[in-house]
Amino acid sequence: KQEVTQIPAALSVPEGENLVLNCSFTDSAIYNLQWFRQDPGKGLTSLLLIQSSQREQTSGRLNASLDKSSGRSTLYIAASQPGDSATYLCAGKVSGNTPLVFGKGTRLSVIA
Amino acid sequence: GAVVSQHPSWVICKSGTSVKIECRSLDFQATTMFWYRQFPKQSLMLMATSNEGSKATYEQGVEKDKFLINHASLTLSTLTVTSAHPEDSSFYICSARGASLGNTIYFGEGSWLTVV
Repeated sequence: KQEVTQIPAALSVPEGENLVLNCSFTDSAIYNLQWFRQDPGKGLTSLLLIQSSQREQTSGRLNASLDKSSGRSTLYIAASQPGDSATYLCAGKVSGNTPLVFGKGTRLSVIA
Repeated sequence: GAVVSQHPSWVICKSGTSVKIECRSLDFQATTMFWYRQFPKQSLMLMATSNEGSKATYEQGVEKDKFLINHASLTLSTLTVTSAHPEDSSFYICSARGASLGNTIYFGEGSWLTVV
Protein backbone atom coordinates (compact mmCIF):
# COMPACT_ATOMS: atom_id res chain seq x y z
CA LYS A 1 0.00 0.00 0.00
CA GLN A 2 1.36 3.35 -1.02
CA GLU A 3 2.43 5.61 1.84
CA VAL A 4 3.51 9.20 1.41
CA THR A 5 5.67 11.09 3.86
CA GLN A 6 6.55 14.77 3.87
CA ILE A 7 9.42 16.35 5.74
CA PRO A 8 9.58 18.83 7.38
CA ALA A 9 6.12 19.25 8.84
CA ALA A 10 6.68 22.99 9.10
CA LEU A 11 9.17 25.42 7.63
CA SER A 12 9.72 29.12 8.12
CA VAL A 13 11.96 31.10 5.79
CA PRO A 14 12.70 34.78 5.11
CA GLU A 15 11.30 36.33 1.97
CA GLY A 16 13.44 35.86 -1.13
CA GLU A 17 14.97 32.57 -0.06
CA ASN A 18 14.92 29.52 -2.30
CA LEU A 19 13.56 26.42 -0.61
CA VAL A 20 12.93 22.72 -1.14
CA LEU A 21 10.06 20.65 0.18
CA ASN A 22 10.52 16.91 0.34
CA CYS A 23 8.15 14.07 -0.30
CA SER A 24 8.88 10.35 -0.17
CA PHE A 25 6.74 7.42 -1.19
CA THR A 26 7.00 3.72 -0.50
CA ASP A 27 5.82 2.20 -3.77
CA SER A 28 8.24 2.97 -6.59
CA ALA A 29 5.66 1.76 -9.11
CA ILE A 30 4.03 5.14 -8.91
CA TYR A 31 1.69 6.23 -11.68
CA ASN A 32 1.97 9.94 -11.08
CA LEU A 33 2.69 12.38 -8.31
CA GLN A 34 1.00 15.68 -7.71
CA TRP A 35 1.81 18.70 -5.58
CA PHE A 36 -1.00 20.78 -4.10
CA ARG A 37 -1.28 23.97 -2.16
CA GLN A 38 -3.84 24.37 0.60
CA ASP A 39 -4.55 27.72 2.21
CA PRO A 40 -6.09 27.72 5.71
CA GLY A 41 -9.75 26.75 5.57
CA LYS A 42 -9.63 26.30 1.81
CA GLY A 43 -9.64 23.47 -0.67
CA LEU A 44 -6.77 22.24 -2.78
CA THR A 45 -5.02 24.01 -5.62
CA SER A 46 -3.11 21.75 -7.95
CA LEU A 47 0.41 23.06 -8.59
CA LEU A 48 2.26 20.47 -10.60
CA LEU A 49 1.59 16.96 -11.88
CA ILE A 50 4.46 14.65 -12.76
CA GLN A 51 3.76 11.48 -14.71
CA SER A 52 5.83 8.39 -13.98
CA SER A 53 7.67 8.82 -17.27
CA GLN A 54 8.73 12.37 -16.39
CA ARG A 55 11.52 13.56 -14.15
CA GLU A 56 10.39 17.10 -13.50
CA GLN A 57 7.80 19.74 -14.19
CA THR A 58 8.11 23.51 -13.95
CA SER A 59 5.58 26.27 -13.52
CA GLY A 60 6.81 29.77 -12.87
CA ARG A 61 8.88 29.78 -9.69
CA LEU A 62 7.98 26.18 -8.94
CA ASN A 63 9.87 23.10 -10.01
CA ALA A 64 8.93 19.58 -9.00
CA SER A 65 11.10 16.55 -9.53
CA LEU A 66 10.38 12.85 -9.38
CA ASP A 67 12.89 10.08 -8.72
CA LYS A 68 11.04 6.78 -8.72
CA SER A 69 14.09 4.67 -7.92
CA SER A 70 14.66 6.47 -4.64
CA GLY A 71 10.97 7.05 -3.97
CA ARG A 72 11.35 10.79 -3.69
CA SER A 73 9.90 13.98 -5.05
CA THR A 74 10.91 17.53 -4.30
CA LEU A 75 9.16 20.84 -4.78
CA TYR A 76 11.55 23.71 -5.31
CA ILE A 77 10.26 27.23 -4.76
CA ALA A 78 12.47 30.02 -6.02
CA ALA A 79 12.56 33.51 -4.57
CA SER A 80 9.90 32.80 -1.98
CA GLN A 81 7.24 35.41 -1.24
CA PRO A 82 4.89 35.91 1.72
CA GLY A 83 2.04 34.90 -0.58
CA ASP A 84 3.62 31.46 -0.84
CA SER A 85 2.73 30.81 2.79
CA ALA A 86 0.43 27.80 2.83
CA THR A 87 0.45 24.06 3.40
CA TYR A 88 1.95 22.09 0.56
CA LEU A 89 0.73 18.54 0.04
CA CYS A 90 2.14 15.88 -2.20
CA ALA A 91 0.05 12.95 -3.31
CA GLY A 92 0.74 9.90 -5.41
CA LYS A 93 -1.26 7.21 -7.10
CA VAL A 94 -0.19 3.75 -8.14
CA SER A 95 -2.49 3.36 -11.13
CA GLY A 96 -4.72 5.43 -13.32
CA ASN A 97 -8.01 4.72 -11.62
CA THR A 98 -6.94 4.67 -7.98
CA PRO A 99 -7.31 7.57 -5.60
CA LEU A 100 -4.50 9.83 -4.53
CA VAL A 101 -2.63 9.03 -1.34
CA PHE A 102 -1.66 12.19 0.48
CA GLY A 103 1.24 13.10 2.70
CA LYS A 104 0.56 15.13 5.83
CA GLY A 105 1.86 18.27 4.24
CA THR A 106 4.50 20.87 4.96
CA ARG A 107 3.28 24.12 6.46
CA LEU A 108 5.35 26.90 4.92
CA SER A 109 5.64 30.40 6.35
CA VAL A 110 7.50 33.02 4.36
CA ILE A 111 8.37 35.97 6.55
CA ALA A 112 8.50 39.44 5.02
CA GLY B 1 -9.84 22.80 -16.57
CA ALA B 2 -12.76 20.76 -15.38
CA VAL B 3 -14.79 22.08 -12.46
CA VAL B 4 -16.00 20.24 -9.39
CA SER B 5 -18.33 22.09 -7.07
CA GLN B 6 -19.16 21.25 -3.47
CA HIS B 7 -22.07 22.52 -1.46
CA PRO B 8 -22.34 23.72 1.20
CA SER B 9 -18.93 25.24 1.88
CA TRP B 10 -19.72 25.63 5.56
CA VAL B 11 -22.35 23.89 7.64
CA ILE B 12 -23.12 23.78 11.33
CA CYS B 13 -25.50 21.15 12.61
CA LYS B 14 -26.70 19.93 15.96
CA SER B 15 -25.46 16.69 17.38
CA GLY B 16 -27.71 13.81 16.40
CA THR B 17 -28.93 15.33 13.15
CA SER B 18 -27.93 14.38 9.62
CA VAL B 19 -26.25 16.60 7.09
CA LYS B 20 -25.80 16.17 3.36
CA ILE B 21 -22.87 17.42 1.30
CA GLU B 22 -23.12 17.54 -2.48
CA CYS B 23 -20.35 17.15 -5.00
CA ARG B 24 -21.09 18.06 -8.60
CA SER B 25 -19.00 17.84 -11.72
CA LEU B 26 -20.08 20.87 -13.71
CA ASP B 27 -18.63 20.26 -17.13
CA PHE B 28 -17.82 16.58 -17.36
CA GLN B 29 -19.27 13.22 -16.48
CA ALA B 30 -17.67 11.89 -13.33
CA THR B 31 -17.51 8.13 -13.55
CA THR B 32 -15.65 7.95 -10.24
CA MET B 33 -15.79 10.20 -7.21
CA PHE B 34 -13.64 10.05 -4.12
CA TRP B 35 -14.51 11.44 -0.71
CA TYR B 36 -11.78 12.55 1.67
CA ARG B 37 -11.82 13.81 5.24
CA GLN B 38 -9.25 16.09 6.78
CA PHE B 39 -9.01 16.73 10.50
CA PRO B 40 -7.15 19.85 11.66
CA LYS B 41 -3.43 19.64 11.00
CA GLN B 42 -3.85 16.21 9.49
CA SER B 43 -3.59 15.00 5.94
CA LEU B 44 -6.46 14.12 3.69
CA MET B 45 -7.67 10.60 4.32
CA LEU B 46 -9.68 8.72 1.76
CA MET B 47 -13.09 7.71 3.08
CA ALA B 48 -14.67 6.01 0.12
CA THR B 49 -14.68 5.58 -3.62
CA SER B 50 -17.91 5.68 -5.54
CA ASN B 51 -18.59 4.68 -9.10
CA GLU B 52 -21.72 5.91 -10.79
CA GLY B 53 -24.59 3.50 -10.32
CA SER B 54 -22.68 1.27 -7.90
CA LYS B 55 -22.34 1.01 -4.16
CA ALA B 56 -19.46 2.95 -2.69
CA THR B 57 -16.32 1.17 -1.54
CA TYR B 58 -15.39 2.31 1.93
CA GLU B 59 -11.91 2.43 3.41
CA GLN B 60 -11.16 0.45 6.51
CA GLY B 61 -12.43 2.15 9.62
CA VAL B 62 -15.06 4.24 7.85
CA GLU B 63 -18.61 3.32 8.86
CA LYS B 64 -20.73 2.93 5.77
CA ASP B 65 -23.96 3.25 7.73
CA LYS B 66 -22.84 6.53 9.18
CA PHE B 67 -21.38 8.06 6.05
CA LEU B 68 -23.89 7.39 3.31
CA ILE B 69 -22.59 7.97 -0.19
CA ASN B 70 -24.84 8.12 -3.20
CA HIS B 71 -23.57 8.46 -6.74
CA ALA B 72 -26.80 8.14 -8.66
CA SER B 73 -25.82 10.24 -11.66
CA LEU B 74 -22.68 11.02 -13.61
CA THR B 75 -22.59 14.57 -12.30
CA LEU B 76 -23.61 14.26 -8.67
CA SER B 77 -22.42 12.40 -5.60
CA THR B 78 -23.67 13.07 -2.10
CA LEU B 79 -22.19 12.34 1.30
CA THR B 80 -24.65 12.20 4.17
CA VAL B 81 -23.29 12.21 7.70
CA THR B 82 -25.98 10.55 9.75
CA SER B 83 -26.49 11.10 13.48
CA ALA B 84 -23.59 13.51 13.49
CA HIS B 85 -21.42 13.88 16.57
CA PRO B 86 -18.89 16.59 17.44
CA GLU B 87 -16.05 14.22 16.52
CA ASP B 88 -17.40 14.20 12.95
CA SER B 89 -16.49 17.87 12.69
CA SER B 90 -13.99 18.00 9.88
CA PHE B 91 -13.19 19.24 6.40
CA TYR B 92 -14.76 17.01 3.78
CA ILE B 93 -13.54 17.22 0.21
CA CYS B 94 -14.55 15.34 -2.89
CA SER B 95 -12.69 14.68 -6.08
CA ALA B 96 -13.90 13.38 -9.39
CA ARG B 97 -12.50 11.56 -12.36
CA GLY B 98 -14.06 11.37 -15.78
CA ALA B 99 -13.28 8.81 -18.44
CA SER B 100 -13.27 11.55 -21.06
CA LEU B 101 -10.59 13.42 -19.15
CA GLY B 102 -8.16 10.57 -18.77
CA ASN B 103 -6.99 9.90 -15.27
CA THR B 104 -6.77 13.48 -14.07
CA ILE B 105 -8.57 14.02 -10.81
CA TYR B 106 -10.31 17.30 -10.03
CA PHE B 107 -11.08 18.46 -6.52
CA GLY B 108 -14.02 20.31 -5.08
CA GLU B 109 -13.52 23.29 -2.82
CA GLY B 110 -14.31 21.30 0.29
CA SER B 111 -16.98 21.55 2.96
CA TRP B 112 -16.40 22.47 6.58
CA LEU B 113 -18.69 20.59 8.94
CA THR B 114 -19.05 21.66 12.54
CA VAL B 115 -21.25 19.58 14.80
CA VAL B 116 -22.32 21.32 18.00
